[in-house]
Amino acid sequence: GAVVSQHPSRVICKSGTSVKIECRSLDFQATTMFWYRQFPKKSLMLMATSNEGSKATYEQGVEKDKFLINHASLTLSTLTVTSAHPEDSSFYICSARPRSSVRTDTQYFGPGTRLTVL
Amino acid sequence: GEDVEQSLFLSVREGDSSVINCTYTDSSSTYLYWYKQEPGAGLQLLTYIFSNMDMKQDQRLTVLLNKKDKHLSLRIADTQTGDSAIYFCAEVTGGSYIPTFGRGTSLIVHP
Repeated sequence: GAVVSQHPSRVICKSGTSVKIECRSLDFQATTMFWYRQFPKKSLMLMATSNEGSKATYEQGVEKDKFLINHASLTLSTLTVTSAHPEDSSFYICSARPRSSVRTDTQYFGPGTRLTVL
Repeated sequence: GEDVEQSLFLSVREGDSSVINCTYTDSSSTYLYWYKQEPGAGLQLLTYIFSNMDMKQDQRLTVLLNKKDKHLSLRIADTQTGDSAIYFCAEVTGGSYIPTFGRGTSLIVHP
């Protein structure tokens, strides 16, 4: 089946630093990648949708200058949390929609990245 | 209220059946999904059902959809300790391909 990886799986950083999280589709090309944030006992919150070669579309309430998304190729999207603060600590999950998918709702999820900001 | 609602916890004995329930509000839902999330991991698609179906069975999993009541359930037969996880219900509506997730039901299986 389709595999999506994320790197790193866990990261601990100091307040004020920036952290980059990578999302890769390993065996398929992804025209669209999604970034979610998951809070404890809460649903997944869609942060942004990124299409290869164009700017990401951010959901309401998500600061685009804080959460920088780059989708430079059909297999890689990155999320950079800039000037991280403790309230940015969360579990970030990406998903990817295959280029070849007939169904537009098909998504494959990555394993997630646990970010802890001290 | 939430667009997709689930109870937060369910505890069952190993070998029993588990039934996880979900309600949703959008009557134009086209696909409904069940995802499984194990501790510290991403989401794994377990099964899905198209909105014109009432039931779908896949090995130990049975999905029931009551479109009139906007109620979806996931039944896991012969629940095992490896089934302990958080189960998310999600829907996709016509015109959108981005699922709306419930808050997840934490299934605890005890001996």
